[in-house]
Amino acid sequence: GENVEQHPSTLSVQEGDSAVIKCTYSDSASNYFPWYKQELGKRPQLIIDIRSNVGEKKDQRIAVTLNKTAKHFSLHITETQPEDSAVYFCAATIDNRDDKIIFGKGTRLHILP
Amino acid sequence: KAGVTQTPRYLIKTRGQQVTLSCSPISGHRSVSWYQQTPGQGLQFLFEYFSETQRNKGNFPGRFSGRQFSNSRSEMNVSTLELGDSALYLCASSPWGDSSYNEQFFGPGTRLTVL
Repeated sequence: GENVEQHPSTLSVQEGDSAVIKCTYSDSASNYFPWYKQELGKRPQLIIDIRSNVGEKKDQRIAVTLNKTAKHFSLHITETQPEDSAVYFCAATIDNRDDKIIFGKGTRLHILP
Repeated sequence: KAGVTQTPRYLIKTRGQQVTLSCSPISGHRSVSWYQQTPGQGLQFLFEYFSETQRNKGNFPGRFSGRQFSNSRSEMNVSTLELGDSALYLCASSPWGDSSYNEQFFGPGTRLTVL
């Protein structure tokens, strides 16, 4: 079946440095790629998303890039802060449907003081 | 608007029992999805309901079922519980149809423990 692979599963970066999380997808028809952040004990929340007709999108310190040819997309967080510590999930629509999304397994990001 | 709510928040059951979890979506949202979250497995999609119809289904056994009512509230049922069903069950509602493009608004989850 269709799949979304996410790497790494755990990432530790020094406060102030950048963090990059990468995802690959298998369904060439995927056209919507959201990223969710889940802080400890809280529910996942959408932080940024990108559609297939866009190669990059930025929102303050976070950005997402999409390479449709290679079927991978990445989340970039610059100038990391303690509050960035969380689990991040990438996702993609599948089966040529806008209403069907599958998630990656998540990346636990630790921001070190 | 009030957020997505789930009841109960915590549940302890024994193997072989069945359980029903409830989810109330954000007012006006017609799509409700259910996910199972376990350490290392991320968010695994169970199923999605839209206007009382199951529109999408994940790769879970038939012991997992759900339904949606006319007011968009949804229930998920797990029969013949197994130890491996212990997890956080999240539901998410989506506005579907407006510019939000299927953004999932998650509830706080129901923590199910099977003994």
